[in-house]
Amino acid sequence: DVKVTQSSRYLVKRTGEKVFLECVQDMDHENMFWYRQDPGLGLRLIYFSYDVKMKEKGDIPEGYSVSREKKERFSLILESASTNQTSMYLCASRFRGGGGREQYFGPGTRLTVT
Amino acid sequence: TQLLEQSPQFLSIQEGENLTVYCNSSSVFSSLQWYRQEPGEGPVLLVTVVTGGEVKKLKRLTFQFGDARKDSSLHITAAQPGDTGLYLCAGSNDYKLSFGAGTTVTVRA
Repeated sequence: DVKVTQSSRYLVKRTGEKVFLECVQDMDHENMFWYRQDPGLGLRLIYFSYDVKMKEKGDIPEGYSVSREKKERFSLILESASTNQTSMYLCASRFRGGGGREQYFGPGTRLTVT
Repeated sequence: TQLLEQSPQFLSIQEGENLTVYCNSSSVFSSLQWYRQEPGEGPVLLVTVVTGGEVKKLKRLTFQFGDARKDSSLHITAAQPGDTGLYLCAGSNDYKLSFGAGTTVTVRA
């Protein structure tokens, strides 16, 4: 059974803190994604990784960075958390190929920045 | 600005009724996907449509891709409480998916 896991379901951090969100997939997928989901806005792509050590900016990369040192793990980093980064963060993975391939999502991390 | 517009934003119906959700764009997509997301979970793929004019059926769910590959619809026949969730359409070009804002469907028993 395919599985994408995220390190925390809920997280509360203070403004200015450095925040790490971890995502692990067990499907040997090459591509991994980080999205944020906000009411009325749908899912917006933050960063994308083609393969190990490779990354591409998505639509809203400002204030975020990523790390992919191993194929199964993709980390999202908030260098200095701000209140406007309060959101639901979703990680996804898929096999290499065109955009029409299915993406498998984790359960999400609800981050609150106070 | 949302690349994909979904309507309606919210839909509440009685069990047994039919419903249709629309997904429209001014852009052409190579394929379009529909996902369903339940509270506390990530989205799960329902279907991928690739060819203009394509119709796919998944039990009581019927998905249609517009002839020009810019729009799509999801029709549910005889809705059940288990159909409750957030329905998301996503258009694909090259490596990425562009998501609509979603339609929250509530089916009352």
